[in-house]
Amino acid sequence: EPEVTQTPSHQVTQMGQEVILRCVPISNHLYFYWYRQILGQKVEFLVSFYNNEISEKSEIFDDQFSVERPDGSNFTLKIRSTKLEDSAMYFCASSEQGARYGYTFGSGTRLTVV
Amino acid sequence: AQKVTQAQTEISVVEKEDVTLDCVYETRDTTYYLFWYKQPPSGELVFLIRRNSFDEQNEISGRYSWNFQKSTSSFNFTITASQVVDSAVYFCALSPFGNEKLTFGTGTRLTIIP
Repeated sequence: EPEVTQTPSHQVTQMGQEVILRCVPISNHLYFYWYRQILGQKVEFLVSFYNNEISEKSEIFDDQFSVERPDGSNFTLKIRSTKLEDSAMYFCASSEQGARYGYTFGSGTRLTVV
Repeated sequence: AQKVTQAQTEISVVEKEDVTLDCVYETRDTTYYLFWYKQPPSGELVFLIRRNSFDEQNEISGRYSWNFQKSTSSFNFTITASQVVDSAVYFCALSPFGNEKLTFGTGTRLTIIP
């Protein structure tokens, strides 16, 4: 069964450093998303991406965050200057026809900012 | 704005018992989609079911069943004859038509005791 692949599974970074989280969505999917889950809390929407541009973003997704689809297969989330409160599990997801049909989530990247 | 409430934070049942997880939602949209996701201890988010607001038929899939009642804005999930492998956090989520964002509830941690 096709799956969304995220790398790395766990990343530790120092406060103030830039991090890039990587995702390979399912190949025929056209909609891409990033969510985060602070430990023990609910899953929160960050951003959706379609047709090479951001279609929606949340209040969390401020100027410190950016997304990119640098080639035909990868979808990345960059955090420019990490803060302690950015520590969370970050999930990438993709969908063939949009949110109303549901997403396939990746297994997540646990980001720890120290 | 959308809101999803999962009032049960944690539930424990003995194996083979039936258990129902509650989900209540709020939305002003007339067309919307409801989802359940499972998050096992390994951390990934696994899609279980999608339901649109026009389809109030209950659904059964093996030991799983879902009861959608628009009149009470509820979309409850029942596991029959629970098994240890059902132990996980279960999230209910909502997406209005035309919106790419899923709004998640806070999740219910289900523990099946052998």
